[in-house]
Amino acid sequence: EAQVTQNPRYLITVTGKKLTVTCSQNMNHEYMSWYRQDPGLGLRQIYYSMNVEVTDKGDVPEGYKVSRKEKRNFPLILESPSPNQTSLYFCASSWGLDNSPLHFGNGTRLTVT
Amino acid sequence: TQLLEQSPQFLSIQEGENLTVYCNSSSVFSSLQWYRQEPGEGPVLLVTVVTGGEVKKLKRLTFQFGDARKDSSLHITAAQPGDTGLYLCAGAVGDTGTASKLTFGTGTRLQVTL
Repeated sequence: EAQVTQNPRYLITVTGKKLTVTCSQNMNHEYMSWYRQDPGLGLRQIYYSMNVEVTDKGDVPEGYKVSRKEKRNFPLILESPSPNQTSLYFCASSWGLDNSPLHFGNGTRLTVT
Repeated sequence: TQLLEQSPQFLSIQEGENLTVYCNSSSVFSSLQWYRQEPGEGPVLLVTVVTGGEVKKLKRLTFQFGDARKDSSLHITAAQPGDTGLYLCAGAVGDTGTASKLTFGTGTRLQVTL
């Protein structure tokens, strides 16, 4: 089954404790992206990657890192999480071509206390 | 950053009613996508419109792209409880509608009750 898999689904952590949210897709997609979803703000892009070893900042990259060492994986790293990073995070992938639909994971709900 | 405003933010209606959701911007988009998101899941694409004035139908859902490609609407006829969810529009800027240039709207949360 074609899918985007994120782990974990839920995460509660404390300020400053480094964490990684994993994302994997099995559709051989070139393009992958991370979004955060907050009430009233819609989905905001954090980082995206057009291909292996090619990453770029989205609209809200501060406090986040990503890497794209393999085509299928695109982990999101929070080196020193802060409470304002409490949010619902989504990973998405697509072919990256004109009007390609985004395929989303089921989300990771992160709480930073 | 382009801004996409959706209205209304919340909508609670009864089964069988009709409704329209709007997605507006001051920017011109090369294409516009509509997604539906159900609780505990990620958004799922419903439709992509690319031509100004284009109308697409998906069963009881009708999508329209504005002539100037700055706005779009989603009309649902005879809403059913299965239509409940968060509806998101997403506009692509630039010459091509590449995923990296997608900006999402603020969302419309629809609840359809029996």
